[in-house]
Amino acid sequence: GAGVSQSPRYKVAKRGQDVALRCDPISGHVSLFWYQQALGQGPEFLTYFQNEAQLDKSGLPSDRFFAERPEGSVSTLKIQRTQQEDSAVYLCASSLSRLHTDTQYFGPGTRLTVL
Amino acid sequence: GDSVTQMEGPVTLSEEACLTINCTYTATGYPSLFWYVQYPGEGLQLLLKATKADDKGSNKGFEATYRKETTSFHLEKGSVQVSDSAVYFCALSLLQGGSEKLVFGKGTKLTVNP
Repeated sequence: GAGVSQSPRYKVAKRGQDVALRCDPISGHVSLFWYQQALGQGPEFLTYFQNEAQLDKSGLPSDRFFAERPEGSVSTLKIQRTQQEDSAVYLCASSLSRLHTDTQYFGPGTRLTVL
Repeated sequence: GDSVTQMEGPVTLSEEACLTINCTYTATGYPSLFWYVQYPGEGLQLLLKATKADDKGSNKGFEATYRKETTSFHLEKGSVQVSDSAVYFCALSLLQGGSEKLVFGKGTKLTVNP
């Protein structure tokens, strides 16, 4: 079956522009996560959805970052007024339930470059 | 807070050499432990996992044992291949603050030469 997909794969933005990154999780997966991966580092948690409810947004670095999953399926991560420090790969992952033993399946990521 | 410390790379080995990548963790509860791998040009994929103490995860010749007494989850393989060249991430998952988010180490880049 299809895995997690993300679009666009690459995004170049000028400083100050708004961007929107899309994630299509595996069908039927309840949990959806967003992570940020800086060059040469491990992914860092941004936010978590259980179905349409955003239960944890403790990792969002500032109020310029906003995520939604209105129908409990597709999710969008929006970054307003992008800054150079926002340049990173943004990863989406989904898992079947909300058990910490579950495997998270990752998408290919969106590489954001802010000029 | 919860954290993962893994052996820094890069690691360069010849084909058929033995591999160990060390991973230790700090957690307030009883986490699940994972190794994820990122092959060149590809996304993160699960290599193996263990969900309770003394469990051994294994896949593609790789193994790791969940050691609660030493808070470790070292990755091992007896004979590496060129195709194992990738970045390896150790991670833990713990239900905390409303989510079972993954906490990753910084990654270890492995290069295997023919």
